[in-house]
Amino acid sequence: SYVLTQPPSVSVAPGKTARITCGGNNIGSKSVHWYQQKPGQAPVLVIYYDSDRPSGIPERFSGSNSGNTATLTISRVEAGDEADYYCQVWDSSSDHQVYVFGTGTKVTVL
Amino acid sequence: QVQLQESGPGLVKPSGTLSLTCAVSGGSISSSNWWSWIRQPPGKGLEWIGEIYHSGSTNYNPSLKSRVTISVDKSKNQFSLKLSSVTAADTAVYYCARRYDSSGYWYYWGQGTLVTVSS
Repeated sequence: SYVLTQPPSVSVAPGKTARITCGGNNIGSKSVHWYQQKPGQAPVLVIYYDSDRPSGIPERFSGSNSGNTATLTISRVEAGDEADYYCQVWDSSSDHQVYVFGTGTKVTVL
Repeated sequence: QVQLQESGPGLVKPSGTLSLTCAVSGGSISSSNWWSWIRQPPGKGLEWIGEIYHSGSTNYNPSLKSRVTISVDKSKNQFSLKLSSVTAADTAVYYCARRYDSSGYWYYWGQGTLVTVSS
């Protein structure tokens, strides 16, 4: 089955840039979506199709995807960005079609 | 604005069947969308369970397929999840969510409901 690997945690000072990676075999050939999840809440879509932002998501959130790594970048980090972040793809490379989530990254704002 | 609301027992006995319903408001379940179930064990990551289209077509996660049934009730604008032979490993927050047909992501989510498997 397809595996998406994320760093367990990322720490960043307010105003700085946080980069969250999502590693997968040839992930650059897939569309990657990113979700933000705060404690006790449902996930919120922050990036879809590698780099598109839903309405209402600040421009500080951006995404890229190439080779074996997709990256979510949060610029000018704010305290409210502290949350868990998950990448997600649709994998149709095996006999089955399945939606796969990454292992998740906890972003801590120092 | 589409809203999704999960409901069902919060406690299920081991070897029993977990049953949840997701009520859809602000839109028709017969629209061009797939209706999904996703779960999250306490302190862990997200896992896709499966999805259904209003026509009744379904897709299931192979890891759960033998135990999962997702159905749709168009008259009530809702869809349901049944997970059989549950164990403690099935304890999780269960979310229902909507995926627009031809897209690969979920924009609308329910608030989630915690189901605990315990005797």
